[in-house]
Amino acid sequence: SQKIEQNSEALNIQEGKTATLTCNYTNYSPAYLQWYRQDPGRGPVFLLLIRENEKEKRKERLKVTFDTTLKQSLFHITASQPADSATYLCALPGGDSWGKLQFGAGTQVVVTP
Amino acid sequence: DTAVSQTPKYLVTQMGNDKSIKCEQNLGHDTMYWYKQDSKKFLKIMFSYNNKELIINETVPNRFSPKSPDKAHLNLHINSLELGDSAVYFCASSQDIAGGSETQYFGPGTRLLVL
Repeated sequence: SQKIEQNSEALNIQEGKTATLTCNYTNYSPAYLQWYRQDPGRGPVFLLLIRENEKEKRKERLKVTFDTTLKQSLFHITASQPADSATYLCALPGGDSWGKLQFGAGTQVVVTP
Repeated sequence: DTAVSQTPKYLVTQMGNDKSIKCEQNLGHDTMYWYKQDSKKFLKIMFSYNNKELIINETVPNRFSPKSPDKAHLNLHINSLELGDSAVYFCASSQDIAGGSETQYFGPGTRLLVL
């Protein structure tokens, strides 16, 4: 299975700025990588999926990049808003079981007005 | 309208008891999952069923037994509850298990506290 590393320290950012989160993995390069958002007391919600042959994916104010050489994905929230405050999880295929997703511990983002 | 629902939302019980958590999805998905999220917020897969067939069975104590009466339901029964079982349990579903790239839809979670 993969070792997935996300910054455990909360990211505090001012409204309007760009938040950038990192997801590093250590073993094999996955065929794809997913990002989820989790609000307190709720289940994760899917945001974006990026495949290994895609360098970048966008959805509204969100942008994800995937660098298989660096074994890293970056997740950007542009023009951040207080409503973007949540924990963001990256997820990769587990490798040893078909269809298994392995999640990082997540990075908390706090956007202040 | 809830896509993936779980009951109960909160469960407080004594050590040694047996309890069940129920999950239902109305998305018409073929695959359902149980995850455990501990106090450190790691979300770890426990089980996965595809069309009522067990696909993924992680290293979980055999006190945990999933049951899928049909592809819209996946229940989790826990025998002889221990303090370490305290966590949030999430149910999820996806259209298929094909390659694992399917988007997963999560339920609201069941917060289990074992005293």
